[in-house]
Amino acid sequence: DAKTTQPPSMDCAEGRAANLPCNHSTISGNEYVYWYRQIHSQGPQYIIHGLKNNETNEMASLIITEDRKSSTLILPHATLRDTAVYYCIVREYGGSYIPTFGRGTSLIVHP
Amino acid sequence: DAGVTQSPTHLIKTRGQQVTLRCSPKSGHDTVSWYQQALGQGPQFIFQYYEEEERQRGNFPDRFSGHQFPNYSSELNVNALLLGDSALYLCASSDPGGANNSPLHFGNGTRLTVT
Repeated sequence: DAKTTQPPSMDCAEGRAANLPCNHSTISGNEYVYWYRQIHSQGPQYIIHGLKNNETNEMASLIITEDRKSSTLILPHATLRDTAVYYCIVREYGGSYIPTFGRGTSLIVHP
Repeated sequence: DAGVTQSPTHLIKTRGQQVTLRCSPKSGHDTVSWYQQALGQGPQFIFQYYEEEERQRGNFPDRFSGHQFPNYSSELNVNALLLGDSALYLCASSDPGGANNSPLHFGNGTRLTVT
């Protein structure tokens, strides 16, 4: 089972920031938090990952709480093309680190 | 720089048949993972290959098998197809050796329909 919980759906107005929450209360000290998104009929696309510090790249920002039990993915200026299912993942170790996907959050960006 | 490529993109098979799906990893990647994604669900881990051996396996029956070649490309084989095997099959690659800090890069998948 996935080690994360996310709201099933969210919506956001185009041009506004989209803040997608994720709970991972059982995360271990050496487990990274990863975010992927999947646009309809395509494979998941890597967005960002972090361990305990906040991270930013050209796509998004990742804010991880100090206790590491939750995180938020921020898309600073959402566009219609950001409409997708967003997956928050904690990789579990069983010989190697395997991402376990839940159902994710379906984000709809509307005009 | 080519990303992860999968073939074929679509496939229709009959129940009881066998199927082989193919994957070429992103350049420089040596670890390949396979996922099954049913409609409306998140991807489910099937297995991972590294150094031409199955390193880890998810909760899938022995009908699902794989192979990795010396050039790191991989195949997924499914025998005795069931209607429930209809899904999008995703291949993902990573490096080095699938370390904890190594993102997966996914292909766009093969859509398998079993009739």
